[in-house]
Amino acid sequence: ETGVTQTPRHLVMGMTNKKSLKCEQHLGHNAMYWYKQSAKKPLELMFVYNFKEQTENNSVPSRFSPECPNSSHLFLHLHTLQPEDSALYLCASSQGILVATDTQYFGPGTRLTVL
Amino acid sequence: GNSVTQMEGPVTLSEEAFLTINCTYTATGYPSLFWYVQYPGEGLQLLLKATKADDKGSNKGFEATYRKETTSFHLEKGSVQVSDSAVYFCALSDPGTGNQFYFGTGTSLTVIP
Repeated sequence: ETGVTQTPRHLVMGMTNKKSLKCEQHLGHNAMYWYKQSAKKPLELMFVYNFKEQTENNSVPSRFSPECPNSSHLFLHLHTLQPEDSALYLCASSQGILVATDTQYFGPGTRLTVL
Repeated sequence: GNSVTQMEGPVTLSEEAFLTINCTYTATGYPSLFWYVQYPGEGLQLLLKATKADDKGSNKGFEATYRKETTSFHLEKGSVQVSDSAVYFCALSDPGTGNQFYFGTGTSLTVIP
């Protein structure tokens, strides 16, 4: 039980679809993150939110749109994706972003397949 | 820039064998170092961490020592079990770059009975 949940666990979508990924953390943390995990590559940080404010956008294409309505919830809205966007999308949370020793806690991920 | 380099897998060991997974890093500041483990179908879980030079992190029989002189954080376990089969990720968090996490590519470990 990691305290971070993600839905759906699996998603198949066409390139013209619009879908959303949801992440919820029950740990009382203030920072939340989206990562992309592709085979044979390091985890790629996509977005960082701290106290609901976006603090990092690592040159992510605009077809990925994050939303953080409160410190417990994080969404990733998907639109007009490409097949190369197929990957495991991981959500994580941490107490904050000001301390390097903070641990990040991960959800189980959403396995996304773009046809 | 910051980066983490892990030994490439996959690694296959027999039960009770000794495990070493090498990890070296490059950082602009004084990072904290982490090992995460990912079991099949699950997200990453923290295995252990060390926050300053010469610190040793340990958990579930795994150990890693923060070596500043060699910029390394190698993961070791004296006797692996089948249940240790997973993918292991080395990572750093660098205050010099806003505490952003940098992960290695992961090393897949399979332990056979």
